[in-house]
Amino acid sequence: DGGITQSPKYLFRKEGQNVTLSCEQNLNHDAMYWYRQDPGQGLRLIYYSQIVNDFQKGDIAEGYSVSREKKESFPLTVTSAQKNPTAFYLCASSAGVNQPQHFGDGTRLSIL
Amino acid sequence: QKEVEQDPGPLSVPEGAIVSLNCTYSNSAFQYFMWYRQYSRKGPELLMYTYSSGNKEDGRFTAQVDKSSKYISLFIRDSQPSDSATYLCAMRMNTGFQKLVFGTGTRLLVSP
Repeated sequence: DGGITQSPKYLFRKEGQNVTLSCEQNLNHDAMYWYRQDPGQGLRLIYYSQIVNDFQKGDIAEGYSVSREKKESFPLTVTSAQKNPTAFYLCASSAGVNQPQHFGDGTRLSIL
Repeated sequence: QKEVEQDPGPLSVPEGAIVSLNCTYSNSAFQYFMWYRQYSRKGPELLMYTYSSGNKEDGRFTAQVDKSSKYISLFIRDSQPSDSATYLCAMRMNTGFQKLVFGTGTRLLVSP
C-alpha cells in the first residue's frame, strides 16, 4: 500500500538531547513537509522540500533541522535549541509543491 | 485576528443528522480550499479539495466555497458515529509555492 510512514509513534527527549523523527513515503512524491500541531492551534509549517537535496524553512524552523538526501525520506531533527518541543509532529507529501498534501500518522514528542 | 477562523466545538449531533462545518478567512487571495478529517492520535486525511467558488460533492460530503463572503463549508449527510473526528479546513493562494493555512479544527461527535 502506498503511504507515508512516520516513526516512532511516541518519542521522549531528555534535556540537552537531539532527537530525530523519521518520515518515509512510497508515493513517488517530489515534495515533503514537516508540521507541528499543538492544542488549540492550526498546523504550523516547520520545513518543506520541493525536491531532493533542497529544503526551505517554514514559519517555525528555529530549533529544527532537516535533510533530503533521498526522494523517499525527509527526517526531522529536534535539537536542544528547541525550548518547547512537546507537540504532535506530522509529515506530509505531495506530488508537486502545490498539489494536495497527504499526511502520515504523526509522532508525539514529549520531554522527560 | 487569525487568517482562518474555525469554531473548535465540540459539535454534537445524533446519527443520521446533516452536519454543517464552517470556516471563515480574511485573505481574499486564497484560491484553493481543503477539508481534512483527523481521528484521535492519527494524521489528517484529505476529504475534499476545491478551487475557487462553488460546490463539490463526493458521496455524503459536499464542500461549498463562497469567496464573496470569505466562507467555506463542509456538509455531511446521513452522519454516522464513524464520522466522529476533528475536521480541519485549510487554504492557500495560487502563485508559486504557497503554504497551507489551517484552521484549528472543529471536533464533531455523532451519537448512535
